[in-house]
Amino acid sequence: NAGVMQNPRHLVRRRGQEARLRCSPMKGHSHVYWYRQLPEEGLKFMVYLQKENIIDESGMPKERFSAEFPKEGPSILRIQQVVRGDSAAYFCASSPGSGGVSDTQYFGPGTRLTVL
Amino acid sequence: QQQVKQSPQSLIVQKGGISIINCAYENTAFDYFPWYQQFPGKGPALLIAIRPDVSEKKEGRFTISFNKSAKQFSLHIMDSQPGDSATYFCAASNGGNTPLVFGKGTRLSVIA
Repeated sequence: NAGVMQNPRHLVRRRGQEARLRCSPMKGHSHVYWYRQLPEEGLKFMVYLQKENIIDESGMPKERFSAEFPKEGPSILRIQQVVRGDSAAYFCASSPGSGGVSDTQYFGPGTRLTVL
Repeated sequence: QQQVKQSPQSLIVQKGGISIINCAYENTAFDYFPWYQQFPGKGPALLIAIRPDVSEKKEGRFTISFNKSAKQFSLHIMDSQPGDSATYFCAASNGGNTPLVFGKGTRLSVIA
């Protein structure tokens, strides 16, 4: 049973370009969370999605950032017009979504974004 | 406002010793407290988790102690090994399918 998959693992963009980060949850998981980790910092929640729905985007910047989790395919975190401050590791986590003891979040390996 | 405070920031322990990492939270609605281990270049991996209805949970060499009245919880690593050298994060959530709030992490180095 494959774990959470993220690609690309490393992404380099120049200021002003777009970054697209992909996340495929674990098999059977219908809930996806995106977190951002700055150097020497803990992970900060960005957005929580279920299939075709954004449940909570309270941690996501209002501008330039968007996320989706379509009915088919991976979840996408999109950053438009990247700036140097967007350089970070972006982690995706998935959970089964049935609540209770099944609310464990399993993390992917992350995408390390570098903005030049 | 940091909702989960973690200490120490870094920790050096002799092989075979006990590593202790502490966390304090503010939100009394939190009812799920996991610990994650992260190696350089990797994603966080769940180590052990506890809910407020118990004061202690042990899995192998790892133990969580939970003090609900003090709003504190800690991770104890017994017989620490060099392979335990990693960054450890405590976290908290409202349970169910809710986002995790992480501490800033503790970088543990276990030296022979």
